[in-house]
Amino acid sequence: AQTVTQSQPEMSVQEAETVTLSCTYDTSESDYYLFWYKQPPSRQMILVIRQEAYKQQNATENRFSVNFQKAAKSFSLKISDSQLGDAAMYFCARMYGAGSYQLTFGKGTKLSVIP
Amino acid sequence: GAVVSQHPSWVICKSGTSVKIECRSLDFQATTMFWYRQFPKQSLMLMATSNEGSKATYEQGVEKDKFLINHASLTLSTLTVTSAHPEDSSFYICSARLPTDTGELFFGEGSRLTVL
Repeated sequence: AQTVTQSQPEMSVQEAETVTLSCTYDTSESDYYLFWYKQPPSRQMILVIRQEAYKQQNATENRFSVNFQKAAKSFSLKISDSQLGDAAMYFCARMYGAGSYQLTFGKGTKLSVIP
Repeated sequence: GAVVSQHPSWVICKSGTSVKIECRSLDFQATTMFWYRQFPKQSLMLMATSNEGSKATYEQGVEKDKFLINHASLTLSTLTVTSAHPEDSSFYICSARLPTDTGELFFGEGSRLTVL
């Protein structure tokens, strides 16, 4: 099975500091998409950032950026200037197969933000 | 972003009864929707892919007769848990694919099912 691995079940960060969440994945394909989703206590899945595998440039969305290392199959999320509202479960996901649009999720990292 | 709505957000039913959960794309047409199941403190597990006008594609290990999926229109997919049992209690989440080349997915709010 092609998997997505998040090795940090829980992380914490001081408010206004920076934190990096790790993700590695397994794939035999050359074209795919990678995502980070946020799931706050409300349980609504919210897209944080996406990365197309064919793009070498790392995606950024305001305080969120990724470090995409295609050869290493690594896709980490950096959250800068952490805010209390960033506290949530974060899931890394890979779009499974060209054209199928199925997502395979990692097990998640619970991020706590300390005031 | 696009809006996907699920209903009901929570439901409690007796063992042996059937429960229907709706997933609607409110401002776009979705030819493909996905149903996931999430156990407490765990990740989302894909149950099935729902394609408008055709039969759903179920993931290995998911009982198609237990979890009936219907995608009768471009804005609605339904998941019916038939003859529900306590072990079916879970959080069910749907997502709908935006009909673009990038296939961006938007998620519903989720539905919590408790079977007594």
